[in-house]
Amino acid sequence: GEDVEQSLFLSVREGDSSVINCTYTDSSSTYLYWYKQEPGAGLQLLTYIFSNMDMKQDQRLTVLLNKKDKHLSLRIADTQTGDSAIYFCAEIPYSGGYQKVTFGTGTKLQVIP
Amino acid sequence: NAGVTQTPKFQVLKTGQSMTLQCAQDMNHNSMYWYRQDPGMGLRLIYYSASEGTTDKGEVPNGYNVSRLNKREFSLRLESAAPSQTSVYFCASRAGGKDGYTFGSGTRLTVV
Repeated sequence: GEDVEQSLFLSVREGDSSVINCTYTDSSSTYLYWYKQEPGAGLQLLTYIFSNMDMKQDQRLTVLLNKKDKHLSLRIADTQTGDSAIYFCAEIPYSGGYQKVTFGTGTKLQVIP
Repeated sequence: NAGVTQTPKFQVLKTGQSMTLQCAQDMNHNSMYWYRQDPGMGLRLIYYSASEGTTDKGEVPNGYNVSRLNKREFSLRLESAAPSQTSVYFCASRAGGKDGYTFGSGTRLTVV
């Protein structure tokens, strides 16, 4: 299918780790992205990983990729109230020229003080 | 560096009215996109322009038209607005390859 799937909602306590999950579709070479959308704003690119990688870390963010299961996760360490937002994963198959982008439906992260 | 600028930020239309949403980017990106965002449905692609002078339909093009005026500007037009077009509209651009999208801040449109 064409769907990129995410759970709709996640609630965590401030200081805990958050793990947001995504299942993607394309088994060939692809770029996988995480975006953050704060209320009333556009989507902000957080990080990306290429499908030949297993992991990427960027400060509090860790992206893990399970290619066998086509499963992508975003871990936020020491979650803060400012991390409350909707998080979207997106898949861009790398085939040269225009690449069709598929977004997940978004996971709303609520951080409880 | 402004990135992607969308106007207006908010708009209320009556059914049947027309309007144009404006989008401009100053990053010299080749590709530009229009998405709509509805609750529980994520982002759906309306139209895109892979390069200056070309436009193509996305997933939900009905009721919309676009113009890639030049490399910087990509406008979205609603000829006869319908309540089903009530949504938040995002314009985005990207250079290509591994580069992700840069999004505008959105236009919240209500059709009554």
